[in-house]
Amino acid sequence: ELKVEQNPLFLSMQEGKNYTIYCNYSTTSDRLYWYRQDPGKSLESLFVLLSNGAVKQEGRLMASLDTKARLSTLHITAAVHDLSATYFCAVRSGEGDKIIFGKGTRLHILP
Amino acid sequence: EPEVTQTPSHQVTQMGQEVILRCVPISNHLYFYWYRQILGQKVEFLVSFYNNEISEKSEIFDDQFSVERPDGSNFTLKIRSTKLEDSAMYFCASSEPRVAPAGANVLTFGAGSRLTVL
Repeated sequence: ELKVEQNPLFLSMQEGKNYTIYCNYSTTSDRLYWYRQDPGKSLESLFVLLSNGAVKQEGRLMASLDTKARLSTLHITAAVHDLSATYFCAVRSGEGDKIIFGKGTRLHILP
Repeated sequence: EPEVTQTPSHQVTQMGQEVILRCVPISNHLYFYWYRQILGQKVEFLVSFYNNEISEKSEIFDDQFSVERPDGSNFTLKIRSTKLEDSAMYFCASSEPRVAPAGANVLTFGAGSRLTVL
């Protein structure tokens, strides 16, 4: 059964600093997603990564995928307060339609 | 921008009552999902639906749960006899056909329906 683990689960950081969130998954998959959730809100798609070595960037966020290590990273560059949210990675299970989410990383950026 | 709409936004019910949560997916999407999230915690997969039938379901999705696409636009989740532990935010999501683009299958989520069981 696919397991998706994120770390850290909670991260408090200063504005302007860089940090990385890690997402490990237990079985082979061909799709990995990153979502953002603001408190009390829905989930917003950030990135989808489809192949080994894939890298995608949007503003201060950059996501990468290593399918051999079953690891994805979400890197935050020069954090700003607006990036405070919970970030989830999600992985497709096998070849079906089930997409499993990690527990989320709650990111709190201090001004 | 197309969006997934869910109703009601909040429902309060008594334990043992039936609840129906409604969703209108994005019109050209073919895959539909229900997830739930308890108190801002983990987002849990309940069920996926494609071609008018359940394609996958989780252990949570037991006989008390059912889904239906009654009229080609709505996608509903029914809980037959609610329990206290069913209290959660229920999210509906939909995605494009798997082949476009490059099979990305990105889920677009609705705003959620908060269910409170007393």
